[in-house]
Amino acid sequence: AIQMTQSPSSLSASVGDRVTITCRASQGIRNDLGWYQQKPGKAPKLLIYAASSLQSGVPSRFSGSGSGTDFTLTISSLQPEDFATYYCLQDYNYPQTFGQGTKLEIK
Amino acid sequence: QVQLVQSGAEVKKPGASVKVSCKASGYTFTSYDINWVRQATGQGLEWMGWMNPNSGNTGYAQKFQGRVTMTRNTSISTAYMELSSLRSEDTAVYYCARDPGVWGQGTLVTVSS
Repeated sequence: AIQMTQSPSSLSASVGDRVTITCRASQGIRNDLGWYQQKPGKAPKLLIYAASSLQSGVPSRFSGSGSGTDFTLTISSLQPEDFATYYCLQDYNYPQTFGQGTKLEIK
Repeated sequence: QVQLVQSGAEVKKPGASVKVSCKASGYTFTSYDINWVRQATGQGLEWMGWMNPNSGNTGYAQKFQGRVTMTRNTSISTAYMELSSLRSEDTAVYYCARDPGVWGQGTLVTVSS
């Protein structure tokens, strides 16, 4: 199975900050990667698919980049509603695998 | 609108089985694979397996092989995930999901004696 290594595991930041979260795949996955946001008690919400495509309805401050093994989620200017946990997911092959998650907290 | 609605919370004893349903609406049920994902309290997301509702073909994570069965009833646009030989470590919220980005609300399964 492909391993997804996500970093950092937690991050403290302030409203207005620019933050970056990374995922590294144990082998090449083309651009078959999505980024999800999850808030407590809620189902994950898709933000980015195919590594860099913004899901409909998601604010443009979210962006994704990367291909092959290294991927990045960037939030350009943090808003209060962005404090949540973020996961990457590779859907290049089965079993699909998630990163360990990044908990984004208010500084 | 496109949505997946799951069955309600379950409490089971160790060794029992649980069957969670996932009813699709707003789209053609047989056109999209259904994935199942679980999340233990305070833990990350864990992919369990997938099912093609058209063919019934399935694929399971090795961890769940022999204990999980994913099925469907196309006449009512519903997918099912059954997990057997439950143990306390299976206590989690179970989600069904469809690409792109459509998730059920989650079903809490508690395994306790």
